[in-house]
Amino acid sequence: DQQVKQNSPSLSVQEGRISILNCDYTNSMFDYFLWYKKYPAEGPTFLISISSIKDKNEDGRFTVFLNKSAKHLSLHIVPSQPGDSAVYFCAAYPLGGSQGNLIFGKGTKLSVKP
Amino acid sequence: EPEVTQTPSHQVTQMGQEVILRCVPISNHLYFYWYRQILGQKVEFLVSFYNNEISEKSEIFDDQFSVERPDGSNFTLKIRSTKLEDSAMYFCASRGTEQTNYGYTFGSGTRLTVV
Repeated sequence: DQQVKQNSPSLSVQEGRISILNCDYTNSMFDYFLWYKKYPAEGPTFLISISSIKDKNEDGRFTVFLNKSAKHLSLHIVPSQPGDSAVYFCAAYPLGGSQGNLIFGKGTKLSVKP
Repeated sequence: EPEVTQTPSHQVTQMGQEVILRCVPISNHLYFYWYRQILGQKVEFLVSFYNNEISEKSEIFDDQFSVERPDGSNFTLKIRSTKLEDSAMYFCASRGTEQTNYGYTFGSGTRLTVV
């Protein structure tokens, strides 16, 4: 049962344009969401998070939007840079940030072309 | 910046052999995790560890798997009798109690190849 879904396995964007990575979830008990970035041969690196009490969180070029009614979140990167090329994982806590365990999506591979 | 350290970076083992994957979590973290990623698939939860005991484990974490924090710094994952399908990247992660982002800090992973 895939509780966190990233339906696009890959995305290609031109440098300077906006990258939009999407994530859907099925479990209404999720109330804390995170995005991780992963380069080849490295572990996932925390990027940005959002609590369900918010609908937007911004950190520099990265903004995460949360639509609770649609059980959908998205990560916007603007402007995209070649160094952003990586696999991006959406993740959620089922227990709202306690010692619960992160559930990951399958990831979206972003390629930013110069 | 504090790091989670995993050794070895790559381990090749014969089917049926025991392997121990080692991790040194961030020193003041209290929650420890093992995840794995089979090539081309998603990152999967294996086990969480808190207060010197397993707090949760997934269906993947069967009797062939065990975890230990033997000396207060290392956090190990043991696979008793490896199978071909255990070949994957294994990631250790740790988390503190700070509420800034609830994010885990992951290690760089150990690539386990079972032949």
